[in-house]
Amino acid sequence: GDSVTQMEGPVTLSEEAFLTINCTYTATGYPSLFWYVQYPGEGLQLLLKATKADDKGSNKGFEATYRKETTSFHLEKGSVQVSDSAVYFCALSSNSGNTPLVFGKGTRLSVIA
Amino acid sequence: GAGVSQSPSNKVTEKGKDVELRCDPISGHTALYWYRQSLGQGLEFLIYFQGNSAPDKSGLPSDRFSAERTGGSVSTLTIQRTQQEDSAVYLCASSLGNLNSPLHFGNGTRLTVT
Repeated sequence: GDSVTQMEGPVTLSEEAFLTINCTYTATGYPSLFWYVQYPGEGLQLLLKATKADDKGSNKGFEATYRKETTSFHLEKGSVQVSDSAVYFCALSSNSGNTPLVFGKGTRLSVIA
Repeated sequence: GAGVSQSPSNKVTEKGKDVELRCDPISGHTALYWYRQSLGQGLEFLIYFQGNSAPDKSGLPSDRFSAERTGGSVSTLTIQRTQQEDSAVYLCASSLGNLNSPLHFGNGTRLTVT
């Protein structure tokens, strides 16, 4: 079945450091890929998405590029802020029908001033 | 604006009791999803509804778990004879139901079985 593997946390960075959270997937066909973020005390919310190979999703300074050749969708940000501290979830949606999102286990990011 | 609302936000129950968790989706969202979030386990899919029907119940962990949705709106997740391993945060999400429509999540119900 479809699955998502993302790097285990927690990840602790200093403010203005470069962030990469790795995400790889296994799926049949051509899934859509997503990053969701869960800030402390809040529900999950969509951060960015890409629906086809080589698409780049971006939002709030975060970027991720859909790489079909490496089945990856790594999340990057050039300069993190304390307010980016959250749990980040990589997810995929099979395009074979209205199937539910498959999520990775989440990566907790802590940014310290 | 109104987002996805879940109640209660916290529930503590004794082992063996039944519990009912409620989800009010965003108005007009035809798809509704239940997930379970356990520490270190990520998000585990439980069940989803398209309208009032549930095409995929494959994630329900046992026959103690059931869910229904009425009027294409409110959904309830019922856990009978709760066990300690049922302790988790239960998340509800809704979407427009179109391909690639983003999911909008509620803040979850934290269930603790003692």
